[in-house]
Formats: sequence, structure tokens, C-alpha cells
Amino acid sequence: DIVMTQTPSSQAVSAGEKVTMSCKSSQSLLYNENKKNYLAWYQQKPGQSPKLLIYWASTRESGVPDRFIGSGSGTDFTLTISSVQAEDLAVYYCQQYYNLWTFGGGTKLELK
Amino acid sequence: EVQLVESGGGLVQPGRSLKLSCAASGFTFSNYYMAWVRQAPKKGLEWVATISTSGSRTYYPDSVKGRFTISRDNAKSSLYLQMNSLKSEDTATYYCARHELPGYKDYWGQGVMVTVSS
Repeated sequence: DIVMTQTPSSQAVSAGEKVTMSCKSSQSLLYNENKKNYLAWYQQKPGQSPKLLIYWASTRESGVPDRFIGSGSGTDFTLTISSVQAEDLAVYYCQQYYNLWTFGGGTKLELK
Repeated sequence: EVQLVESGGGLVQPGRSLKLSCAASGFTFSNYYMAWVRQAPKKGLEWVATISTSGSRTYYPDSVKGRFTISRDNAKSSLYLQMNSLKSEDTATYYCARHELPGYKDYWGQGVMVTVSS
């Protein structure tokens, strides 16, 4: 089974700040045949269902603001929010879909 | 507009069974894989089951394999999760999600709560 590890588990941020969070997989998510990384990011606000933000490690879902940036390859991935807004306070999950499907434990963004 | 509406949750005793349903609309249901994902109280997300477009292929993690069964009725645009031999650790909000191949979930329902307790 592929294990997904997210760090930090929580992070206190101020509006306008640049934020980065990490997701590491126990094996490579890069499929050599198509050079794609099988990784997605989701946002879950309090009391709401998860929302897809990014897939293929760096492709933003339609309607997702461009301040959300996914990067990385292989086993190390990063979600960056270039300038955090109040509405971005949420828990962020990564998920691999290289071999079945597993989620990371999440990173909670809180207000400083 | 894509909509996924779960139903069938509630309080159930350990060892008993429960069946969840998900009514889909706003897209051609039969063209998509579908999945169930759960979230225990104040915990993270856990994939529970996935089913192919025709229903001929199903996938489960070890935590529920042999106890849970995912199924679908394409004529009714509905997804189901039959949960047997329920345990307290199955207590969670269960989400129905559209599964965009090869595996990210692009639409989610609002979730339905299942509580397993005596």
C-alpha cells in the first residue's frame, strides 16, 4: 500500500502570507509511460465536503483561483498558496491514485 | 449541475447492517466510475470503495473488504454501499464521489452520518 504523509499537520497563517505544505508518498507516483504524477489535492472547509483543487500534481481544477499552485514529482509534492485569503482556512488533503487510492492525513490552516 | 445526494445513514448496533444510497444527477451516470469515501469524527479522509461504469469491477481497502459491497443501478443513476458486520470504527460521515479516471474525485455529495454504537 502507498502511504501518504502530510506535513505540517497544522499551520497558523496570516492573510496575505505565502504558505507551503508538503505531501510525501512511500513510493513514486510518476508513471514513466506518460510522465504524469498521479496525485491530487483537496480542500475541506469546516462543515463542508471536500473540494478538488488540483490533479496530476499541478493541474488546477476549473474555477480554482490561481493562487493555488501544485508542484513536485516522484515522491515529494507541495501545495503553495501564494497569498492566503481568509476563505482559504481549511484542511488540505493530498491523495494518490497511482495504485488504488489513499489520502494523506491532512494539513489544517488556521488563523494566526 | 452535478449533484450527489446521499441517504440511508443513522444509528446502528455493532454487528448489524446498513445500506447507503447516493442519487446522482446532472451528468451521465453510466459513463463514470463512482466511489465512497468516509471521514471519522475529527479525522481524515479514507477511501472505502470504488466501482466501474458497468459495475463489473469493484475495489476495496483491506479495512472493509469482505464486509462492504458497492453496487450501482445505472438506470436509476444510483450508487449504493451495503455495509455488513458493522464495527464502532466504521462510525463516520460517508461521502459519495464521482471518480474521474484514473482516480481523483471531482464531485462530492454532502455526506451522510453513520454511527455504530450499542
